[in-house]
Amino acid sequence: DSGVTQTPKHLITATGQRVTLRCSPRSGDLSVYWYQQSLDQGLQFLIQYYNGEERAKGNILERFSAQQFPDLHSELNLSSLELGDSALYFCASSLGPGDEQFFGPGTRLTVL
Amino acid sequence: GQQLNQSPQSMFIQEGEDVSMNCTSSSIFNTWLWYKQDPGEGPVLLIALYKAGELTSNGRLTAQFGITRKDSFLNISASIPSDVGIYFCAGQPRSNNRKLIWGLGTSLAVNP
Repeated sequence: DSGVTQTPKHLITATGQRVTLRCSPRSGDLSVYWYQQSLDQGLQFLIQYYNGEERAKGNILERFSAQQFPDLHSELNLSSLELGDSALYFCASSLGPGDEQFFGPGTRLTVL
Repeated sequence: GQQLNQSPQSMFIQEGEDVSMNCTSSSIFNTWLWYKQDPGEGPVLLIALYKAGELTSNGRLTAQFGITRKDSFLNISASIPSDVGIYFCAGQPRSNNRKLIWGLGTSLAVNP
């Protein structure tokens, strides 16, 4: 158990819908990262937050947004969902930017 | 942007064989990390390396921080079926120690 929690574990929805994925970092970690992993693909970095502020952006679509709240939990919002958005979405946390990242168990999103 | 070249992309081996994989970069890194992702799970940190030339073991796994600081190696000795998964390297570049760059992963399959 990494100490990072993600909910829900599974999510099935339809095209055009909007979903919110939630992540709670390890106790004491200030940085949160979001990754997307499609079938047989590597980890695609989406976005990073540090202590409530956006720190770095990767290949995140405009239909996706995220935020980190004062209690340091983070949410990833995915809107106007498409079939190709079906993937595993991982959250990771670290003490600070660039430190070892600890991953949550992931949310498996299926868009039908 | 900076990239890590991880090879091989995939491996299919017999149980009991030794495995080697590596990660290279065109720029200098301060930290190298090796992660393993079991099917359907989030990546888990295996070994962290912080000094050039450092050789660190974790059970049957051994990783080395290359002398040039531009590469790292992971070896698995006497592979067993539970070694199956995707192995990712990640590194913290000297030019930006607030960033973690990821390789695309090596997918390992072990034939019992």
